[in-house]
Amino acid sequence: SAVISQKPSRDICQRGTSLTIQCQVDSQVTMMFWYRQQPGQSLTLIATANQGSEATYESGFVIDKFPISRPNLTFSTLTVSNMSPEDSSIYLCSVGGPKVFSYNEQFFGPGTRLTVL
Amino acid sequence: GDSVTQMEGPVTLSEEAFLTINCTYTATGYPSLFWYVQYPGEGLQLLLKATKADDKGSNKGFEATYRKETTSFHLEKGSVQVSDSAVYFCALDTGRRALTFGSGTRLQVQP
Repeated sequence: SAVISQKPSRDICQRGTSLTIQCQVDSQVTMMFWYRQQPGQSLTLIATANQGSEATYESGFVIDKFPISRPNLTFSTLTVSNMSPEDSSIYLCSVGGPKVFSYNEQFFGPGTRLTVL
Repeated sequence: GDSVTQMEGPVTLSEEAFLTINCTYTATGYPSLFWYVQYPGEGLQLLLKATKADDKGSNKGFEATYRKETTSFHLEKGSVQVSDSAVYFCALDTGRRALTFGSGTRLQVQP
């Protein structure tokens, strides 16, 4: 299995500011994913972050709003830019298992609970 | 596109009751299917999985069978405990490695 940590675990931010969320994995993985879980809702994929290439964003999410970095095989950041109260959510990163080119389960970080005032 | 539909909650049961949470899916190809659980105040954990038709995933007394003919992956447990109270998510992976989640079903088990 993979152990994933996220920082910060929670934050309260003012409208118009930006927050960068860090995701650290204890093993090297090719694919990392960022999800959003709005209050009382399910998880929605924001983007897929592969090391050495640009992140791939899902419909409804854009790079200017959610820039992602993936500098190496164990680390990624997601920035929530120019925040509004609608961005209040739990943001989770996940990774595919060690056998990334065959079926395997995903492991999730503990999440970052963001509240925008 | 791919989608997962779960029964709406909350589901409220007495301890030792039988549990079924329905999950159906729409996907191209042959997805892998998962149940994830989110206990209060905790992160998302994989509960069980199935990768092909007729596979049965099982863990902690929970079971789910991959039914291709009905595109379903219903979660069952014969006797629930108070500690099973959580939100349960059905999900699929069509090979992209990213998951498509259902809306989640909150289970409340009363002593």
